[in-house]
Amino acid sequence: AAGVIQSPRHLIKEKRETATLKCYPIPRHDTVYWYQQGPGQDPQFLISFYEKMQSDKGSIPDRFSAQQFSDYHSELNMSSLELGDSALYFCASSFPPGLNTEAFFGQGTRLTVV
Amino acid sequence: AQSVTQPDIHITVSEGASLELRCNYSYGATPYLFWYVQSPGQGLQLLLKYFSGDTLVQGIKGFEAEFKRSQSSFNLRKPSVHWSDAAEYFCAVSDTGGGNKLTFGTGTQLKVEL
Repeated sequence: AAGVIQSPRHLIKEKRETATLKCYPIPRHDTVYWYQQGPGQDPQFLISFYEKMQSDKGSIPDRFSAQQFSDYHSELNMSSLELGDSALYFCASSFPPGLNTEAFFGQGTRLTVV
Repeated sequence: AQSVTQPDIHITVSEGASLELRCNYSYGATPYLFWYVQSPGQGLQLLLKYFSGDTLVQGIKGFEAEFKRSQSSFNLRKPSVHWSDAAEYFCAVSDTGGGNKLTFGTGTQLKVEL
């Protein structure tokens, strides 16, 4: 079965550079979520999209932005990278939020800022 | 806002022994609860979920969890642990009808001794 695809799997950037992370949801899923997991930490919700509109926002820095495109894939853009942005970034997708809907996670993108 | 507490940061069990990982939640309404497992450097795999109905839910890999409203708990159990179960386990709650953003506990690292 198709799963959530994230690319790239690994990314190394220098401080103050920009990074773009991509997420391709499971077919027919129209809701996408982004999470950030720092070293030894639990995943923290960043932002979500439903039908190409932002549906919820968590602890996402102003330096980060995201969008969902017409094919439902999503991109997380990160600018002015800091060492503290080094983390595992997860994308998850689901059917529209509602009863008995679960989110499926991708394998994550490991971002290292040096 | 909802929150999840996993009191045990690390747990070590012998292979073949039983396992119980604790999870307590704080949420004003009927919670939607999840257990995820994460192997090192890997994504989050859903073990099981509780939305409603039978308070004892069965998951994959022989895991089960019991929802106890009176104790605000959703403990994960397995009768006989295998060495391959060594991983980090996260309990999570979603704030509405499933599929919405997840709030994770801080995780429990499981070590299995052979």
